[in-house]
Amino acid sequence: EVQLVQSGAEVKKPGESLKISCKGSGYIFSNYWIGWVRQMPGKGLEWMGIIYPGDSDTRYSPSFQGQVTISADKSISTAYLQWSSLKASDTAMYYCARRYRYTAYGDYWGQGTLVTVSS
Amino acid sequence: QSVLTQPPSVSAAPGQKVTISCSGNTSNIENNYVSWYQQLPGTAPKLLIYDNSKRPSGIPDRFSGSKSGTSATLGITGLQTGDEADYYCETWDSSLSAGVFGGGTKLTVL
Repeated sequence: EVQLVQSGAEVKKPGESLKISCKGSGYIFSNYWIGWVRQMPGKGLEWMGIIYPGDSDTRYSPSFQGQVTISADKSISTAYLQWSSLKASDTAMYYCARRYRYTAYGDYWGQGTLVTVSS
Repeated sequence: QSVLTQPPSVSAAPGQKVTISCSGNTSNIENNYVSWYQQLPGTAPKLLIYDNSKRPSGIPDRFSGSKSGTSATLGITGLQTGDEADYYCETWDSSLSAGVFGGGTKLTVL
């Protein structure tokens, strides 16, 4: 059974760094892209970026380029989304999703990680 | 402001049919596949339709998708109260070199 399990909720202060994770199981992790999606409170879905764990090829939406870093460790079937300096506007639910190519649909989704940034 | 335009809300009675539109342009919908997701309250999005009109295993045939030119449509027949959710379209935008979502449509089953 394909599963994506994300790390737990985080509460951080502005300016702090953060790295959240998405662990895949039930399939060959290196052979599929993992994408990240943001959902701000009460708002819609936003496509952030995507990584191919097999060779770490990474693509970012222009809206998120330079704002976050996406990485992966194929040896432990885990993808990451990280911030070097959080802002209050980063408060949101973040989802990871598996995609068989970077332009394709997300067929399996993680349960989401809620990030709250507040002083 | 989303790249893809969806109506904010639609409603219909149980048993009826509803359609949700998703409008884009030649950089996105016209030249790329469209997918649709259902997001029930408090849950992660779930894939409903991929490659414009295909249904993943387990998705009932009450859900259908189509595409024509720069627009796509999700259809739901035999509405049930359990269909109340937010629905999103998604596609690739070749100009942005990134995926894009519609703003989402809230379905109310009256």
